[in-house]
Amino acid sequence: AQTVTQSQPEMSVQEAETVTLSCTYDTSESDYYLFWYKQPPSRQMILVIRQEAYKQQNATENRFSVNFQKAAKSFSLKISDSQLGDAAMYFCAYGSNYQLIWGAGTKLIIKP
Amino acid sequence: DSGVTQTPKHLITATGQRVTLRCSPRSGDLSVYWYQQSLDQGLQFLIQYYNGEERAKGNILERFSAQQFPDLHSELNLSSLELGDSALYFCASSVDGTSGGPDSYEQYFGPGTRLTVT
Repeated sequence: AQTVTQSQPEMSVQEAETVTLSCTYDTSESDYYLFWYKQPPSRQMILVIRQEAYKQQNATENRFSVNFQKAAKSFSLKISDSQLGDAAMYFCAYGSNYQLIWGAGTKLIIKP
Repeated sequence: DSGVTQTPKHLITATGQRVTLRCSPRSGDLSVYWYQQSLDQGLQFLIQYYNGEERAKGNILERFSAQQFPDLHSELNLSSLELGDSALYFCASSVDGTSGGPDSYEQYFGPGTRLTVT
């Protein structure tokens, strides 16, 4: 069965600095989708970024980018120029059999 | 705003009672997913409906049931409530749930219903 592992329960970063959140997954499939979602204190789940496994180019959305290493089954999220509003839980998710399999989340703290 | 609506926002009820949570997906989305998130926990997938039919089941208790209506809104029914059922219940929707393309997986979440069982 596919699994998603976020090994960092909590990370902290200074405002305006760059932080990378880790995610690894286990699969035998070759075609799949990966996602990062953000859950701020409001508890709303917000889609941050999507990566298609068949694309070699790493996805980017403004200050958010991913480092997708297919062979290593790694999908990390880089947040540049961290802002106070980036403070949230970040969940990595893997798309398989029409479902999303979720990691346990990483709590990101932004230090002013 | 994701376009997914959930009602009510908050619900407080007693043990043993039954409640119904309601979700309206984004316009055009055919798939609805229900998740449970207990305090400081991750997301637990409960159940998925696609165009009115049950598509997949996750860790859903027998006391819980759901359905999706012809207008595509969905309801999650929770009965014989226990203290441990207190949680945030999310509904999410996606364009489809069967094509295997990105629209099958990209889910948009509602604001959640916070259920407190006392």
